[in-house]
Amino acid sequence: DQQVKQNSPSLSVQEGRISILNCDYTNSMFDYFLWYKKYPAEGPTFLISISSIKDKNEDGRFTVFLNKSAKHLSLHIVPSQPGDSAVYFCAASVRVDSSYKLIFGSGTRLLVRP
Amino acid sequence: DTGVSQDPRHKITKRGQNVTFRCDPISEHNRLYWYRQTLGQGPEFLTYFQNEAQLEKSRLLSDRFSAERPKGSFSTLEIQRTEQGDSAMYLCASSLTERGYTFGSGTRLTVV
Repeated sequence: DQQVKQNSPSLSVQEGRISILNCDYTNSMFDYFLWYKKYPAEGPTFLISISSIKDKNEDGRFTVFLNKSAKHLSLHIVPSQPGDSAVYFCAASVRVDSSYKLIFGSGTRLLVRP
Repeated sequence: DTGVSQDPRHKITKRGQNVTFRCDPISEHNRLYWYRQTLGQGPEFLTYFQNEAQLEKSRLLSDRFSAERPKGSFSTLEIQRTEQGDSAMYLCASSLTERGYTFGSGTRLTVV
């Protein structure tokens, strides 16, 4: 039962162009969403998040959009840079008893070509 | 204090052996999480501590797995009688709030 899905395992984009990474979820109880970036041999690093009461959050070159009716979120990176090449994980937060835990998607590997 | 520290970074063990991993969270963080990541998948939740109390365990955590956080600071994850299917990256994360996780670099386990 995969509650958070990233259907594109990989994405290749030219430097300077926009990268759009997509994520779908099934559980309407999710109330907070996060994007993490992961380089090889390192742990995931927090990138940007959005609460379910918002539909957009922007931080520099990174913008996350949330469409609750479609249970869909996306991460836009513009302009894309070669250093953005990494695996990007979408995660959703859900409260379980006294804790919150993150449910991750399977990741999208982004390659930004110089 | 520069972040979440995990030791060792890599571990190769023979099937049937026991292994133990250590995680040192950011010092003021009272919440500590263990996740496991296999190739091509995202991190999967294993267990969660608030201070020294283990509040939740995933069904993924079979009886061969045990985690402790004895003084509410560092944590250990032990796998007994390792199997090849245990080969994965084991990630530790800590947080002060309910939302913001900081992950360590992980321990990569290879069972041969």
